[in-house]
Amino acid sequence: AQTVTQSQPEMSVQEAETVTLSCTYDTSESDYYLFWYKQPPSRQMILVIRQEAYKQQNATENRFSVNFQKAAKSFSLKISDSQLGDAAMYFCAYRSGLDGSARQLTFGSGTQLTVLP
Amino acid sequence: DAGVTQSPTHLIKTRGQQVTLRCSPISGHKSVSWYQQVLGQGPQFIFQYYEKEERGRGNFPDRFSARQFPNYSSELNVNALLLGDSALYLCASSLTSNQPQHFGDGTRLSIL
Repeated sequence: AQTVTQSQPEMSVQEAETVTLSCTYDTSESDYYLFWYKQPPSRQMILVIRQEAYKQQNATENRFSVNFQKAAKSFSLKISDSQLGDAAMYFCAYRSGLDGSARQLTFGSGTQLTVLP
Repeated sequence: DAGVTQSPTHLIKTRGQQVTLRCSPISGHKSVSWYQQVLGQGPQFIFQYYEKEERGRGNFPDRFSARQFPNYSSELNVNALLLGDSALYLCASSLTSNQPQHFGDGTRLSIL
C-alpha cells in the first residue's frame, strides 16, 4: 500500500518570502501522479499543482513549484512571494497510474501554513 | 460552470441513525469519489464510481455504501451511525477516473 508522509504539522512564512513544504511517499509502482492540494478554512480542497512521475521536469504553476526527487521519493512544494491568501492547510497526495486501479488519492496528514504580515 | 456541489452543508444525527449525503459533479464529469476527513487529518478514500460502476472501495465497514445515478450524481449512505463517523465528507469529481479530481465544499456530519 502507498503511504504519504508530511513531517511538518505547522509552518510559518513572512509575507513576500519563500517557504518549502516537505512530502515523502512510499510506493513500489513506477507509474503514478503526485499532487499538492490547499484547504483553506472554507473547507474546499483546491488543486495547487500536479506532477507526473514519468516527467523529469519539475512542475510549476505561477508562484508554486515542486522539487520532485523520484529516487528519494520526495515531493516538496515551494511557494514564492508568499501572500496572505496562501494561508491554509496543504496536503500532499499520491495517485496510482496503473490501468485498472481505482485511481483514488492517498493523502498525507497535512501542513498548516501561516503567512505573517 | 458550477463546481462540485454537495448537500447538505451541515448535518447533525444521533448514534444508530442513518444518513444520506448527496453530490453533483461538475457538468461532463463521469467519475465521483468520496472521502472522509476527520478533524486534523488528511482525507481517507471511501468509494470511487465511474460510469455508474464502483471502481474502488477504501477500508470502511459495510455500513458505508454509495451509488451513482445515470446523471452521474452520487449518494453516500451510512447506516448505524457511530460517534467516530463524525467528520467532513468530501466528494470529488473528474472527467474520467484518470483526470485530476475537483472537490466540493463537503458535508460536515456531527454525531451526538
